Amino acid sequence: DAKTTQPPSMDCAEGRAANLPCNHSTISGNEYVYWYRQIHSQGPQYIIHGLKNNETNEMASLIITEDRKSSTLILPHATLRDTAVYYCIVPMDSNYQLIWGAGTKLIIKP
Amino acid sequence: DAGVTQSPTHLIKTRGQHVTLRCSPISGHKSVSWYQQVLGQGPQFIFQYYEKEERGRGNFPDRFSARQFPNYSSELNVNALLLGDSALYLCASSLVIGTYGYTFGSGTRLTVV
Repeated sequence: DAKTTQPPSMDCAEGRAANLPCNHSTISGNEYVYWYRQIHSQGPQYIIHGLKNNETNEMASLIITEDRKSSTLILPHATLRDTAVYYCIVPMDSNYQLIWGAGTKLIIKP
Repeated sequence: DAGVTQSPTHLIKTRGQHVTLRCSPISGHKSVSWYQQVLGQGPQFIFQYYEKEERGRGNFPDRFSARQFPNYSSELNVNALLLGDSALYLCASSLVIGTYGYTFGSGTRLTVV
């Protein structure tokens, strides 16, 4: 089973910041949090990952709480092209696999 | 640079047949993983290969097999196809094992009739 829980769906207005939450209360001290997204009918796309410090790249920012039990992916200025299913994943090193939950379906509205 | 390429993009097979799906990783990437994605669900892990050796296997029957070649490309084979094998099959590559910022291909859409 996935180690993360996410809301099934969210809406966001175009141009506004989209904040996608994720709970990972059983995360271990050395486990990273990864975020991917999947636009309809395409392969998943890696967005960002982090351990305990906040991270930012050209696509998004990742805010991880101090206790590391939850995180938030922030798309600072959402566009219609950001409509996708967003997955928060804590990988299992024991089998080198990513266990995908249902993700959050983010719909950006004009 | 070319991304992860998968072939074919679509195919239709009959129950009981065999299928081979192919994947070319990004140049220099030595790790290849395979995932199955049934419509409406997240991907499910099938295999991971690194340096031509199997390093991880998901909960799939023995009808599923894979291999990685010296040039790091990979094949996924499925024997005795069932209707339930209809899915999008995704290949992902990474530079080394143990990092998870994978680059995925666009997938092969397999329909079993």
